[in-house]
Amino acid sequence: QKEVEQNSGPLSVPEGAIASLNCTYSDRGSQSFFWYRQYSGKSPELIMSIYSNGDKEDGRFTAQLNKASQYVSLLIRDSQPSDSATYLCAVIRNSGGYQKVTFGTGTKLQVIP
Amino acid sequence: DVKVTQSSRYLVKRTGEKVFLECVQDMDHENMFWYRQDPGLGLRLIYFSYDVKMKEKGDIPEGYSVSREKKERFSLILESASTNQTSMYLCASSLTREAFFGQGTRLTVV
Repeated sequence: QKEVEQNSGPLSVPEGAIASLNCTYSDRGSQSFFWYRQYSGKSPELIMSIYSNGDKEDGRFTAQLNKASQYVSLLIRDSQPSDSATYLCAVIRNSGGYQKVTFGTGTKLQVIP
Repeated sequence: DVKVTQSSRYLVKRTGEKVFLECVQDMDHENMFWYRQDPGLGLRLIYFSYDVKMKEKGDIPEGYSVSREKKERFSLILESASTNQTSMYLCASSLTREAFFGQGTRLTVV
């Protein structure tokens, strides 16, 4: 089982719809969770972080964390063509006395005008 | 804004060459990381450093080494480049938990 799993997609949604991106992780001791957006040929940029169970909203983005079920999701409301990118889930857990960041392989989102 | 700068955007090297990839951050971050990113494999951690002159192996350190002589600079070294090291290399830095990435170096080994 991979430490962090994401469906590679592509996930296609029409403009204006809600895009739902999901991520599961294997280590119950994981502490911090992040969503990064990566445009083709560019480096990842941080868009959301979440540390406790529940929802966290920032503009059109909502991150949801459920530690009991070991999943974290990202909702994008009113999806725009500019949201078309690969979304990477990242998880921090303690490993060997250090905080280790593990990334999922990413979900490609396509917003259709 | 945090700025993480990688020395080269594109690099072409020959098999067997020693390759240096440089990364500089301007926000006094303690933590610095080197990743490589390959299609279908995602971001994989090569090495990381939590302090000057300190380094720890990540998930795929074989064939690589690192140097951190100053807090702001973290260098990745390919001792003898091979074609399977052709990849996108990404440097990142962080103060606590959120990581900020450089623009990436696309390295091709021929």
